[in-house]
Amino acid sequence: DIQMTQSPSSMSASLGDRVTITCQASQDIGNNLIWFQQKPGKSPRPMIYYATNLANGVPSRFSGSRSGSDYSLTISSLESEDMADYHCLQYKQYPRTFGGGTKLELK
Amino acid sequence: QIQLVQSGPELKKPGESVKISCKASGYTFTDYAMHWVKQAPGKGLKWMGWINTYTGKPTYADDFKGRFVFSLEASASTANLQISNLKNEDTATYFCARVLDYWGQGVMVTVSS
Repeated sequence: DIQMTQSPSSMSASLGDRVTITCQASQDIGNNLIWFQQKPGKSPRPMIYYATNLANGVPSRFSGSRSGSDYSLTISSLESEDMADYHCLQYKQYPRTFGGGTKLELK
Repeated sequence: QIQLVQSGPELKKPGESVKISCKASGYTFTDYAMHWVKQAPGKGLKWMGWINTYTGKPTYADDFKGRFVFSLEASASTANLQISNLKNEDTATYFCARVLDYWGQGVMVTVSS
C-alpha cells in the first residue's frame, strides 16, 4: 500500500501568514493527489485536484505543488475561515490512502 | 445540483448490526463509483473501499473485509453500508463520497453497551 506521510500534524499561525502543509508519498503517485479541507462537524471539501489544480470555488490564496514525492498545499495569506483540518489523499492506486491530517489553528 | 444525503445517527450495542444509506441526486447514479470513508472521533480519514454502481461489485480495503458490506438500490440511486457484529472501535462517522469529489454529510454511529 502507498503510505502518505503528512506534516505537520498540527500547527498554529497568524492571520496573513503563509502556511504550507506537506504530504510525502512512499511510492510514485504521479500527480494523483487531492487536498481536502474539513471543518468541525462537516464533510471533507476537495480543494486541490491532481496535485496542483484548484477546485471550483476555492479561493486563489490556496495552491498545490509537487517536488518529487513531496506534495504541498500552500495558503498564501491565512484568513480566519481557513482554520480547519487538512487531509491529502492519493488516488494513483488502490487502496486509496489518506495522510494523517493537519490541524490548522489560529495563533 | 449534486447531493448525497445520508441517513441519520445510530446508537447501537456491541454485537448488533447497522445499515447506513446514501441517496444520490443530481447526476446519473450508475455513472460514478461510490466510496466509503470512516472517521473515528478526533482522528483522520480512512478509506474503506468502493462499489461499482454500474455492476454492483464492491471492493474492500483490508481492514474492512468481513463485517462490512456495500450494496446498492440502484433504482433508488442509493448506496448502503451495512456493518455487522458491531464493536466499540466501529464508533465513527461514516461518509459516502462520489469518487471522492462530492461527499455525504456523514453518519455518526455510536457503539456502546
